[in-house]
Amino acid sequence: SQTIHQWPATLVQPVGSPLSLECTVEGTSNPNLYWYRQAAGRGLQLLFYSVGIGQISSEVPQNLSASRPQDRQFILSSKKLLLSDSGFYLCAWSVVLASEQYFGPGTRLTVT
Amino acid sequence: DAKTTQPNSMESNEEEPVHLPCNHSTISGTDYIHWYRQLPSQGPEYVIHGLTSNVNNRMASLAIAEDRKSSTLILHRATLRDAAVYYCLISSGSARQLTFGSGTQLTVLP
Repeated sequence: SQTIHQWPATLVQPVGSPLSLECTVEGTSNPNLYWYRQAAGRGLQLLFYSVGIGQISSEVPQNLSASRPQDRQFILSSKKLLLSDSGFYLCAWSVVLASEQYFGPGTRLTVT
Repeated sequence: DAKTTQPNSMESNEEEPVHLPCNHSTISGTDYIHWYRQLPSQGPEYVIHGLTSNVNNRMASLAIAEDRKSSTLILHRATLRDAAVYYCLISSGSARQLTFGSGTQLTVLP
């Protein structure tokens, strides 16, 4: 069966510090991968998606970036965090692009 | 992009059916209707999806209006574990149109 992992589960970082969140998927090949952010009490905002290694599409211009160095690994990064980057970051995968998505447990990021 | 409208909140009694509505009046002919739910501090969980015909699975049923401008997620017997935020979204197969709105907060009363 397929599983999706995210780490860390929680993170507190000062403004201006770098960020690296990792997501890995097991039990499937060539998944479509997604990064979402959820502000408190709000819906999910799609940040990036990837259909293959090295292929990244950005949906929202911001100081975040994403990379897919391996088939089942998706990384979200920032060189300098802003207060507005605080939120719940979710990684997801799907077999068919934009179809049934399976989400990871999420990373709660607090920028202080 | 096809947008969705859902009530902010709904209440149900335990072991009774729940009908969660979603309006999507700008849906296109090939757009799929997806439903997810999210428990507090967890990632969303896929529930069900459909195109034109009503769909059933072990979790729920999806009733789609004949004109496809609205749909209803049906939980046949609500349990306390069904208390969650339920999201309806429309997918055309393009990731650029993936939008989760604010959803409906379902409260299940014992």
